[in-house]
Amino acid sequence: GENVEQHPSTLSVQEGDSAVIKCTYSDSASNYFPWYKQELGKGPQLIIDIRSNVGEKKDQRIAVTLNKTAKHFSLHITETQPEDSAVYFCAASMGGSYIPTFGRGTSLIVHP
Amino acid sequence: DTAVSQTPKYLVTQMGNDKSIKCEQNLGHDTMYWYKQDSKKFLKIMFSYNNKELIINETVPNRFSPKSPDKAHLNLHINSLELGDSAVYFCASSHTGQGNTEAFFGQGTRLTVV
Repeated sequence: GENVEQHPSTLSVQEGDSAVIKCTYSDSASNYFPWYKQELGKGPQLIIDIRSNVGEKKDQRIAVTLNKTAKHFSLHITETQPEDSAVYFCAASMGGSYIPTFGRGTSLIVHP
Repeated sequence: DTAVSQTPKYLVTQMGNDKSIKCEQNLGHDTMYWYKQDSKKFLKIMFSYNNKELIINETVPNRFSPKSPDKAHLNLHINSLELGDSAVYFCASSHTGQGNTEAFFGQGTRLTVV
């Protein structure tokens, strides 16, 4: 089955700095890579996703890159703000009824 | 309007009891899931269910069973609760047609077994 590794487990930055979270996956058949943000006391929410036919995608301060050859993808948050503090999860999926496999999560702390 | 709603939000119960957590989605999705999140925030898939197929994570004890009265509901029944069952349980749903789409999660049910 698919295996998703996520690093770092904890990331602490100053407000205004950039944050990068990296994930690797094992199954080359995976073709959908969503990123979720989980705030305290809430369920995970999708913030951005990328499909295997795209190398990079941006949405305001958030960007995701995908390297299919190396089987890794990354989340980049620029100009971090305290409200970005949360747990972030990457996931990989092979499509159809295949269940997404989640990484272990990264706790991002943005200090004002 | 709440997309995926689960009840209760908090559940405290004694060891050995049987309990249920309800989940409903109003998104018209064809697939629903149950995840268990432990104290280290790891999201572990327990079940995936659509109107055709139930996929069970083989590591889930058979004390846990999903029940789906219709496409919009997937309830989780737990028998003979144990201390190690304490966790946050999330229901989610998605549409699994030709392409992948995002999973929408409920707000979670924090289960505490004492």
